[in-house]
Amino acid sequence: SQTIHQWPATLVQPVGSPLSLECTVEGTSNPNLYWYRQAAGRGLQLLFYSVGIGQISSEVPQNLSASRPQDRQFILSSKKLLLSDSGFYLCAWGSYGYTFGSGTRLTVV
Amino acid sequence: DAKTTQPPSMDCAEGRAANLPCNHSTISGNEYVYWYRQIHSQGPQYIIHGLKNNETNEMASLIITEDRKSSTLILPHATLRDTAVYYCIVSRYSGGGADGLTFGKGTHLIIQP
Repeated sequence: SQTIHQWPATLVQPVGSPLSLECTVEGTSNPNLYWYRQAAGRGLQLLFYSVGIGQISSEVPQNLSASRPQDRQFILSSKKLLLSDSGFYLCAWGSYGYTFGSGTRLTVV
Repeated sequence: DAKTTQPPSMDCAEGRAANLPCNHSTISGNEYVYWYRQIHSQGPQYIIHGLKNNETNEMASLIITEDRKSSTLILPHATLRDTAVYYCIVSRYSGGGADGLTFGKGTHLIIQP
């Protein structure tokens, strides 16, 4: 069966520090992968999607970047975090009904 | 993708059927209706989707009107664990469409004991 793993579950980082969130998928090959963000009290916003290794599309201009170094690995990064980067980050795998990871709650202080 | 309209919140008594409406009057002929829910502090969970015909699975039923301009998600016997935000989404992809799903604000369903 297919599973999606996302870590860490929670993270507190100071302003200006780097960020790296990792997402991996098991049980499938060449998946479409997505990063979403949910700010406090707001809806889910699509940040990045990837249809294959090294292929990244960005939905909104921002302080973040994404990479896909392996088929089933999707990484969200930032060189210098801003306060506005705080939120709930979700990785998803697109298939017959999207499957979401358990999320990372990032607080930038 | 077409836009959807949902009531911001609804209450339902435990054990009763919860009927969540969604309007998608600008839906195109090749667009699917998806339903997801998000329990607090968790990732969204896929519930069901359909194109034209009504659909049923172990979680819920989806009723789509004949003109496809609206749909209703039915949770037949709501429990307290069904309290969540429910999202109705329209997408032209039946599977993992490359450019992702667009989530609106959804309906906050509260199941009352």
